[in-house]
Amino acid sequence: EIVLTQSPGTLSLSPGERATLSCRASQNVNSRYIAWYQQRNGQPPRLLIYGESIRATGVPDRFRASGSGTDFTLSITRLEADDFAVYYCHQYGTSRRWDTFGQGTKLEIK
Amino acid sequence: EVQLVQSGPVLKKPGQSLRISCTASGYTFRSHWIAWVRQMPGKGLEWMGSVYGGDSEARYSPSFEGQVTISADNSINTAYIQWRSLKDSDTAVYYCARFDVRGYQYAAFDFWGQGTLVTVSS
Repeated sequence: EIVLTQSPGTLSLSPGERATLSCRASQNVNSRYIAWYQQRNGQPPRLLIYGESIRATGVPDRFRASGSGTDFTLSITRLEADDFAVYYCHQYGTSRRWDTFGQGTKLEIK
Repeated sequence: EVQLVQSGPVLKKPGQSLRISCTASGYTFRSHWIAWVRQMPGKGLEWMGSVYGGDSEARYSPSFEGQVTISADNSINTAYIQWRSLKDSDTAVYYCARFDVRGYQYAAFDFWGQGTLVTVSS
């Protein structure tokens, strides 16, 4: 079973700064099956990026994803108030058809 | 417009059974998987399992297999998750989510229900 480890657990930044969130897989995964989600307090998760770097509808281009193999990154430039939330990476494993989430990174206002 | 509408919050006692639902609209239910995702208080997301709307095939996370049953009724575009005997530790918000997969291109949960709070307490 593939384990996704996100770091840092909490990231404290100010509006206008750039955030870099990491997601590391315990073994190589297909980057096309990595997705990123945002969850604001009290709300369901929202799909941000999938299929390597496809932004979901309505997601601004300040959000970008990259990575391959075992290391994946979500970058958010020019942080806005609405961006402070918890972010999860997700992987779909085609061999056993299991889905896995990372434990999340909380992006908080400094 | 794709929508997933879940049943309302519930309060149950340990040992009781429960089934919660997720009703889909705005797309062809039979063509997609629906997943159930648990979020315990203050914790992260955990994939529990998924069911295919076309034939009700279900697949489970090893952590949840045998603990819950996931099913679907495509005549009413509804997915379910059920417990035979609840425990205190089942207290959580449960989300359903549509799984959109296109072979070799992408796989993601693109639409989510609003969540169902399940509280198990004596």
